[in-house]
Amino acid sequence: DVKVTQSSRYLVKRTGEKVFLECVQDMDHENMFWYRQDPGLGLRLIYFSYDVKMKEKGDIPEGYSVSREKKERFSLILESASTNQTSMYLCASSLIQRGYTFGSGTRLTVV
Amino acid sequence: QQQVKQSPQSLIVQKGGISIINCAYENTAFDYFPWYQQFPGKGPALLIAIRPDVSEKKEGRFTISFNKSAKQFSLHIMDSQPGDSATYFCAASMSNDMRFGAGTRLTVKP
Repeated sequence: DVKVTQSSRYLVKRTGEKVFLECVQDMDHENMFWYRQDPGLGLRLIYFSYDVKMKEKGDIPEGYSVSREKKERFSLILESASTNQTSMYLCASSLIQRGYTFGSGTRLTVV
Repeated sequence: QQQVKQSPQSLIVQKGGISIINCAYENTAFDYFPWYQQFPGKGPALLIAIRPDVSEKKEGRFTISFNKSAKQFSLHIMDSQPGDSATYFCAASMSNDMRFGAGTRLTVKP
């Protein structure tokens, strides 16, 4: 069963902490994405990557960075967590021009 | 700016009824239109998708209707069941750029 795995389902972090969200896919997909999901705002793209060591900013990259050292792994980094980054974070992967496969999400609370 | 507009924000339907969710897009370069279904605590899952060369696609109780000239597409759920209660997202894509609607929370009452 192919899947996208996010390392944590729930996280609670303190303001100012550096936070790492990990995502691994086992489908050999070229493309990987990080979204945040907030009520009434839908899915907003933070960063994406089309290849190893490649990254592109999405619509809301401020306060975030990413790392893709291996094809199967795409990490989202919150350099200094703030309360407005409390959200559900979703990782996805895809082949070109195909539907996305999403992970189950990480619900992050910053206190 | 929101490139895909989805309505309604929430929808309540009786069991056995038809659920209809609508989406509109701006960019005529979009060429792939998927719908995703998300249950609480889960990530969205691809439900059904259509390309603009057809006007309708049906998979079981789920149908996408596509109107290229109006730049609109909709999801119809026939014989809606309580198990269909979820949040539904439409999306529009070109190449690797996919844009999502804001989502519709569907509740099917028994």
